[in-house]
Amino acid sequence: DAGVTQSPTHLIKTRGQQVTLRCSPKSGHDTVSWYQQALGQGPQFIFQYYEEEERQRGNFPDRFSGHQFPNYSSELNVNALLLGDSALYLCASSLGQGFSNTGELFFGEGSRLTVL
Amino acid sequence: DQQVKQNSPSLSVQEGRISILNCDYTNSMFDYFLWYKKYPAEGPTFLISISSIKDKNEDGRFTVFLNKSAKHLSLHIVPSQPGDSAVYFCAAIRLYGGATNKLIFGTGTLLAVQP
Repeated sequence: DAGVTQSPTHLIKTRGQQVTLRCSPKSGHDTVSWYQQALGQGPQFIFQYYEEEERQRGNFPDRFSGHQFPNYSSELNVNALLLGDSALYLCASSLGQGFSNTGELFFGEGSRLTVL
Repeated sequence: DQQVKQNSPSLSVQEGRISILNCDYTNSMFDYFLWYKKYPAEGPTFLISISSIKDKNEDGRFTVFLNKSAKHLSLHIVPSQPGDSAVYFCAAIRLYGGATNKLIFGTGTLLAVQP
């Protein structure tokens, strides 16, 4: 049973560039959430996708956008990269838009983005 | 505005002893709380959770206590094992009325269990 998979695991970009990160949810899951974890901080919610639509959004600028495909996989796009965008980007999947009573979100290992 | 706070960035405990990790929150609308464990180069993994209608939840060596009046929760690990060495994140959510997966995480506590 494949868990949450993310690609790439590491990447380096320069300021002003654009980046696309990819996520495949755990088998059977249909909801994907993205989190940003800066160094020394806890993960911060970026947005959630369900039924190919953005359902909830955290306090992130419009430079951060996403997409969900019919197979439930998802992409996170960040435009006009800033040094402060350097972080670990985590994808989490779950079943249904609502939060399950077990409280589990399944996280991938993340994509570490470095902006120079 | 840090709504979930873990004031101890690190904790060192001897193997076999109790580890107590603390977490405070400010938003009284939170009604569900979770602990996640994170090893290096891995994503966070769910450990244990508690609803705001309870004050204790136990799962094997792990017990979470919730004090709503103090807006405080703690994770107890007894006995601690070297394999428990990891970063522990406290997280909170407004489950009822929110219906999202928007977890609010603390900054984490690095637990080191010494053999």
